[in-house]
Amino acid sequence: QVHLMESGGGVVQPGKSLRLSCEVSASTFSSSAIHWVRQGPGKGLEWVAVISYDGSNTYYGDSAKGRFAISRDTSKNTVHLEMTSLRDEDTAIYYCATPRDGSEEAPFDNWGHGTWVTVSS
Amino acid sequence: DIQMTQSPSSLSASVGDRVTITCRASQSIMTYLSWYQQRPGTAPKLLIYAASSLESGVPSRFSGSGSGTDFTLTISSLQPEDFGTYYCQQNYGSPLTFGGGTKVETK
Repeated sequence: QVHLMESGGGVVQPGKSLRLSCEVSASTFSSSAIHWVRQGPGKGLEWVAVISYDGSNTYYGDSAKGRFAISRDTSKNTVHLEMTSLRDEDTAIYYCATPRDGSEEAPFDNWGHGTWVTVSS
Repeated sequence: DIQMTQSPSSLSASVGDRVTITCRASQSIMTYLSWYQQRPGTAPKLLIYAASSLESGVPSRFSGSGSGTDFTLTISSLQPEDFGTYYCQQNYGSPLTFGGGTKVETK
């Protein structure tokens, strides 16, 4: 079973930045793409971004393009989501997830518990 | 981007009922379709992948069907632990869009 642990959430003012982290089991980290998915209060799931197993490819949802950046830290088995120019509508719980065969477009069979981000003045 | 539309957005059902949820894609996604269950306060759980393949450990009362643009998730006999929200997701191409969700509530 893959272990995923998100951290870095909190309350931040509009326009500010925040970095989320997702620590992944060492056995999985180097062979799997990692996704971020978010869910606003009382809302549905929204895919945010993905980074390939080797970091060579990254893709973003429309709401993240130009403001968020996903990266991998192989020394810490961690994926980061750097969020800038935060808006009220970015308020959500952010989950990281791994696909069932490691590829970027496969279904997500492992999820973390999520970390809350609240954008508020 | 591929749009995913689920219906209904909510439904009320009783234990033992047969429940059907539909998902429509804005273009053909072949069978690159997954279903997730989310209980309140928890992360989503993968139920079905490739439109009709049951994820390991998922009860056989769950089944999926469809291809192209139209898909169905069926729960043959609703159990108390099945109440929650169900989402479809297309895995055909990035961005991997989700449907809006179907909330299954007790009647």
